[in-house]
Amino acid sequence: ETGVTQSPTHLIKTRGQQVTLRCSSQSGHNTVSWYQQALGQGPQFIFQYYREEENGRGNFPPRFSGLQFPNYSSELNVNALELDDSALYLCASSLGGPTEAFFGQGTRLTVV
Amino acid sequence: AQKVTQAQTEISVVEKEDVTLDCVYETRDTTYYLFWYKQPPSGELVFLIRRNSFDEQNEISGRYSWNFQKSTSSFNFTITASQVVDSAVYFCASRRWGNKLVFGAGTILRVKS
Repeated sequence: ETGVTQSPTHLIKTRGQQVTLRCSSQSGHNTVSWYQQALGQGPQFIFQYYREEENGRGNFPPRFSGLQFPNYSSELNVNALELDDSALYLCASSLGGPTEAFFGQGTRLTVV
Repeated sequence: AQKVTQAQTEISVVEKEDVTLDCVYETRDTTYYLFWYKQPPSGELVFLIRRNSFDEQNEISGRYSWNFQKSTSSFNFTITASQVVDSAVYFCASRRWGNKLVFGAGTILRVKS
């Protein structure tokens, strides 16, 4: 059983650019969620996908968007990057409901 | 809205000491779920435990134990005989059914040899 994997692990982008982060969910997990973790803070919920439909969104602007594919893998897209978007982006997968979420190792995004 | 408070920003202990990490949660839901995660320097959040609101039994897993008390809205985590490998950031979190995880700010645990 493979765990949650994210790519790339590190990324440096320039302000105003666009970025796509990828996540492969744990085998059998149909729910994927994305979190942003700024340095020294707890993760903040961005959005969640269940069977390819967004079913929850945190307090993030529309330039943060996502997709979930039929194999339950997922992408996080961020347009018009700002310096404050620099953070660790974590993807988590679960079976939904009350079950625990399992996290990937994260993508460290730096915006310069 | 749910809220999780971890008042301890950082704790330093010497190896073999016991240490308790505090977690206080706020929710209006009657059914909710509480979690603890460990984040080592590598960055990945490692799941430790889930507790359902209707199950107040304490749990022990090796050197780890959890004390859930609905009367005080607390879900504290104790590490017995701490080891250097326990050094990490520990997060408490809550969620509703199928909903987002709401994390506390985390507690940095430093275990010195």
